[in-house]
Amino acid sequence: DGGITQSPKYLFRKEGQNVTLSCEQNLNHDAMYWYRQDPGQGLRLIYYSQIVNDFQKGDIAEGYSVSREKKESFPLTVTSAQKNPTAFYLCASSLGGPGNTIYFGEGSWLTVV
Amino acid sequence: GQQLNQSPQSMFIQEGEDVSMNCTSSSIFNTWLWYKQDPGEGPVLLIALYKAGELTSNGRLTAQFGITRKDSFLNISASIPSDVGIYFCAGPYMNYGGSQGNLIFGKGTKLSVKP
Repeated sequence: DGGITQSPKYLFRKEGQNVTLSCEQNLNHDAMYWYRQDPGQGLRLIYYSQIVNDFQKGDIAEGYSVSREKKESFPLTVTSAQKNPTAFYLCASSLGGPGNTIYFGEGSWLTVV
Repeated sequence: GQQLNQSPQSMFIQEGEDVSMNCTSSSIFNTWLWYKQDPGEGPVLLIALYKAGELTSNGRLTAQFGITRKDSFLNISASIPSDVGIYFCAGPYMNYGGSQGNLIFGKGTKLSVKP
């Protein structure tokens, strides 16, 4: 089945550690995105990528890094510089570029312990 | 900047009741999207609207693209317990040159349904 797969679903991080969230899609979509969701805050864009080997910062990129070495994959690293990383992270993709309808993965919960 | 304002923030209704929620902006949008998010899951696209005045249905859901292009409405008829979740509206940010930017999202309407 085609779709967007995020892993792990639940992740615990100790303070000072970097962690990487995986996102894979087999929809042959060009663009991929990472959003962060906090209660009552809606969805905020962290990073996005329109093509392989290219990506741009979103509204809240500080403390995060990404790579886009393959069309299917867009991993997100939450670095120790991100002071408040506990949140629900959503990966998404779209067939076209910005403004096109995006489709989401099932999300990953990150908790700092 | 461009913002989407959703109302109400939350709703508590009885099973079988109809539901209405809306999304407004001070800016014009060319596309309106409605998503539903079940607890602990990613949002799922419900309805996409591309033309001012357009009225589109998906089962018990009906959404309308406002004629001013600054608002959109989502109605759910005869609600059932599985309608519980957060409903988001979204639309593409318009850059100054007129090109489309990334989607921006409202903060959501949280729906609770009492059996």
